[in-house]
Amino acid sequence: KNQVEQSPQSLIILEGKNCTLQCNYTVSPFSNLRWYKQDTGRGPVSLTIMTFSENTKSNGRYTATLDADTKQSSLHITASQLSDSASYICVVSPSMEYGNKLVFGAGTILRVKS
Amino acid sequence: DTEVTQTPKHLVMGMTNKKSLKCEQHMGHRAMYWYKQKAKKPPELMFVYSYEKLSINESVPSRFSPECPNSSLLNLHLHALQPEDSALYLCASSQILAGGPWEQFFGPGTRLTVL
Repeated sequence: KNQVEQSPQSLIILEGKNCTLQCNYTVSPFSNLRWYKQDTGRGPVSLTIMTFSENTKSNGRYTATLDADTKQSSLHITASQLSDSASYICVVSPSMEYGNKLVFGAGTILRVKS
Repeated sequence: DTEVTQTPKHLVMGMTNKKSLKCEQHMGHRAMYWYKQKAKKPPELMFVYSYEKLSINESVPSRFSPECPNSSLLNLHLHALQPEDSALYLCASSQILAGGPWEQFFGPGTRLTVL
């Protein structure tokens, strides 16, 4: 069964600190992995997309890594800000095609406090 | 314009009402999606339209009726809903060309409450 598991379920950090969120997946076949940020009551916003040949990709203070062999990904947030408080969702796509069914993780809820 | 817009932002309806959710994008994307998201759960795919034709229906009850009148608009018609249909309804769009992977751009969602 295709699954995406994220850890931790929730996390509280102080403003300015770094943190790392984890994602393990069992999706097969595998095409690409995405990290989304979702603010409460809003739609998800894409942070990174990585194919199996990419090991790391950065978007500002967000850096995602991918190990396709162990089927693990991480999202590292540097110098956290209050605005980083959100749910971070790991999403795996089994295909390059447009309409394929993305497999969503349950998300990690991050709270950054001052 | 890299934005997907959705209206209304909030909707409260009775179980006998008929209402519609609207979604619009002007990025030239020819694939559009409807998702349903319950609180603290990931989005669940409902429908996919490609080139204005329904290509995927994830066994959604007929009380949800999608419509794609043109390449920029996507509607979701609601009729005789149940309280358990209360959720955040998300619209998304993406490219459809060969290649990829194509990012799905999500709208802000419509918060639906069924009384």
